[in-house]
Amino acid sequence: KAGVTQTPRYLIKTRGQQVTLSCSPISGHRSVSWYQQTPGQGLQFLFEYFSETQRNKGNFPGRFSGRQFSNSRSEMNVSTLELGDSALYLCASRPGYSGTDTQYFGPGTRLTVL
Amino acid sequence: GQNIDQPTEMTATEGAIVQINCTYQTSGFNGLFWYQQHAGEAPTFLSYNVLDGLEEKGRFSSFLSRSKGYSYLLLKELQMKDSASYLCAVRGSPGAGSYQLTFGKGTKLSVIP
Repeated sequence: KAGVTQTPRYLIKTRGQQVTLSCSPISGHRSVSWYQQTPGQGLQFLFEYFSETQRNKGNFPGRFSGRQFSNSRSEMNVSTLELGDSALYLCASRPGYSGTDTQYFGPGTRLTVL
Repeated sequence: GQNIDQPTEMTATEGAIVQINCTYQTSGFNGLFWYQQHAGEAPTFLSYNVLDGLEEKGRFSSFLSRSKGYSYLLLKELQMKDSASYLCAVRGSPGAGSYQLTFGKGTKLSVIP
């Protein structure tokens, strides 16, 4: 089975621009979560989608948004980019929405904001 | 909310045993995960504990004590390739808000010859 894939792998943007990142989960997985990873803060939860519905949201400003499609693929969008948004954005998928499912991570998108 | 603490860095010798501790305070608990992350790569799943006790998987073992809010990851027969960051993560429960995973900041393990 193919793993979680994320595109693009690397991205350079300037302040004020917006960006869209894409994630394709493992086949059969219906839940997708997004995380931001920075050296200072570690892995921080952004949001989780299951069956095209946002189930949980982390403590991030409204500039960060996401959606999930009927094939479980997900996108996240960051508008009005700030320098502090430079980070590794990780997507993770799991089979369903239960307490015991294991999440599997994609390789991430490295976003640099200049 | 969740608060997770683990040491920032550890160093151990090839062939030795190392124990990485993780303590947590949570308002809901649905299990504790350990992930390994090599520099520049995605985290990979190592173990999941939801009941008290020790889970062994090859050279890696993970222990959980829910009453103490404590877990550890034990790595035996250390190899150079074990040099990585080890992330402890706790899953919440819907009663406390959600099933989301909250991660500690990770323990960077350096294995030296």
